[in-house]
Amino acid sequence: EVQLVETGGGLIQPGGSLRLSCAASGFTVSSNYMSWVRQAPGKGLEWVSVIYSGGSTYYADSVKGRFTISRDNSKNTLYLQMNSLRAEDTAVYYCARGTAATPFDYWGQGTLVTVSS
Amino acid sequence: QSALTQPPSASGSPGQSVTISCTGTSSDVGGYNYVSWYQQHPGKAPKLMIYEVSKRPSGVPDRFSGSKSGNTASLTVSGLQAEDEADYYCSSYAGSNNFVFGTGTKVTVL
Repeated sequence: EVQLVETGGGLIQPGGSLRLSCAASGFTVSSNYMSWVRQAPGKGLEWVSVIYSGGSTYYADSVKGRFTISRDNSKNTLYLQMNSLRAEDTAVYYCARGTAATPFDYWGQGTLVTVSS
Repeated sequence: QSALTQPPSASGSPGQSVTISCTGTSSDVGGYNYVSWYQQHPGKAPKLMIYEVSKRPSGVPDRFSGSKSGNTASLTVSGLQAEDEADYYCSSYAGSNNFVFGTGTKVTVL
């Protein structure tokens, strides 16, 4: 059974840093597309970043240069390093597994990041 | 990359059908057959309902169907049931390794 469990969210001041983790089971992270998608309170879904099986990484313009997606194959875990956080980064962050045809076929339960002073 | 445009709300009585539109551009919806649809109940993670415009993952009822014409994709829910009441989001590949979601539609079962 495919499972994704995000951790690492919390309250952080503007300008601060936070690292989110997404522990996967039931499949191999390095063999799939893995993405981060966020949802601001009461708002819609926003794609944040993807890492392909080959290791290439891509980002939404809104986070480019501030966020870094990575994975640890030995731990079968996906990460999102978030630096220079802004109030507008406040959201529930979901990790999602995917393929070329189905970029987000399984989702975790999400972790809330609140950027506020 | 701008969000795809969906109507804010849609509704229907039990047993009826409801269709949700998702309008993009030739750079996303119109340019690729990589449109997918997600159902999200309050406080829950999204669930994949349709991929590649019209394909259903295993376990998704055949009451859910998808289609596309030009720059607009559509999701139809036939035989509405109470458990179909949720938010629905479309998504499309947008080229250059970017992905875009729709603005979301709240479906109410009357």
